[in-house]
Amino acid sequence: DAKTTQPNSMESNEEEPVHLPCNHSTISGTDYIHWYRQLPSQGPEYVIHGLTSNVNNRMASLAIAEDRKSSTLILHRATLRDAAVYYCILRDVGPGGGADGLTFGKGTHLIIQP
Amino acid sequence: DAGVIQSPRHEVTEMGQEVTLRCKPISGHNSLFWYRQTMMRGLELLIYFNNNVPIDDSGMPEDRFSAKMPNASFSTLKIQPSEPRDSAVYFCASSPHSRLSNQPQHFGDGTRLSIL
Repeated sequence: DAKTTQPNSMESNEEEPVHLPCNHSTISGTDYIHWYRQLPSQGPEYVIHGLTSNVNNRMASLAIAEDRKSSTLILHRATLRDAAVYYCILRDVGPGGGADGLTFGKGTHLIIQP
Repeated sequence: DAGVIQSPRHEVTEMGQEVTLRCKPISGHNSLFWYRQTMMRGLELLIYFNNNVPIDDSGMPEDRFSAKMPNASFSTLKIQPSEPRDSAVYFCASSPHSRLSNQPQHFGDGTRLSIL
């Protein structure tokens, strides 16, 4: 999987929007951009994914740059429960003809201040 | 729907003992993954299965580690003999089998393993 780069940590205030950046300058044409998060003492949790167009779901929005070399995860109104480590991951079709494992980097530790 | 179920949640054992971690994937999911998380190395993929067949075990650290999936609803990760450096949180995840790799993985709550 291609490599991603994220800030080690970010801090935001409760009820404000949060923009989490991710750089993936070596992304290939068939790489999907996935975001997961890991709350304290829990397993990772899927957040959102996209290929070229911006995506929205109940948890967040994903904004993808036109050249696809970067993306931004947007939490529209952060709550204390959003404090977690956020991982940006690129995925392509695996050698077995199916989905393969995830390659996690260090992610961004998001701190939410009340 | 029940999520991915892992057992035990916590395991403390002495060096040299055999350790068996268990995982029940979400019903209908064809892909199963084992990960390990440590402070030093973060989250690492150990092995994954598609339709009960191991596809990639290149992440398994040593021959002391083995994983099986005898049927679609059960998998084990075994360490024999265990060593203190195996102490970590072990996660199991499952996802629907898909060539498009868009399917999200669903993780269990993990097994926190401590080898004394």
